[in-house]
Amino acid sequence: GAGVSQSPSNKVTEKGKDVELRCDPISGHTALYWYRQSLGQGLEFLIYFQGNSAPDKSGLPSDRFSAERTGGSVSTLTIQRTQQEDSAVYLCASSLPTSGGAGEQFFGPGTRLTVL
Amino acid sequence: SQQGEEDPQALSIQEGENATMNCSYKTSINNLQWYRQNSGRGLVHLILIRSNEREKHSGRLRVTLDTSKKSSSLLITASRAADTASYFCATGLIQGAQKLVFGQGTRLTINP
Repeated sequence: GAGVSQSPSNKVTEKGKDVELRCDPISGHTALYWYRQSLGQGLEFLIYFQGNSAPDKSGLPSDRFSAERTGGSVSTLTIQRTQQEDSAVYLCASSLPTSGGAGEQFFGPGTRLTVL
Repeated sequence: SQQGEEDPQALSIQEGENATMNCSYKTSINNLQWYRQNSGRGLVHLILIRSNEREKHSGRLRVTLDTSKKSSSLLITASRAADTASYFCATGLIQGAQKLVFGQGTRLTINP
């Protein structure tokens, strides 16, 4: 079956512009995560959606970042007024709900964002 | 501060040798997972070990967990060039529902 897909794979934008990054999770996965990874670094948690519950936005670095998940499936991460420090790979992951803690996450290929 | 800390940050070995990577964490966990990342893009899940388990095997991978020391190790036996990648540990926290907290990763290079 299809895995997690993300688009675009690469995005180059000018400082101050808005960008939208898309994630299409695996069908049936109710949990969806966004992470950011700067060059040579680990993954920084941004936001987490679980079913119809309110999203956990605790990782969003500023109010320029927002995300939504429509119909419990596709998610869009929006960065307004982009800054050069926003340049990174943005990774999306999805998972099935589990008891007893976080389960295996399935990652998309990521979107490499470059802000000039 | 970062929950997971991998050690070493980089490791270079000859093909056929064993590679050991370590992960330390700070708070109580439900489980600990290891992921591999090739070429800076998507991560692939390798193995999950629960807090009540001490050791787990999957093919050439062996993971240990010591909750008293808040540490885990990943052993890759008989390494191959294709094992060259970055390896991340991720902790599923007790307080944190379905979230994972990732470490900074170990960059493993297997030399032919």
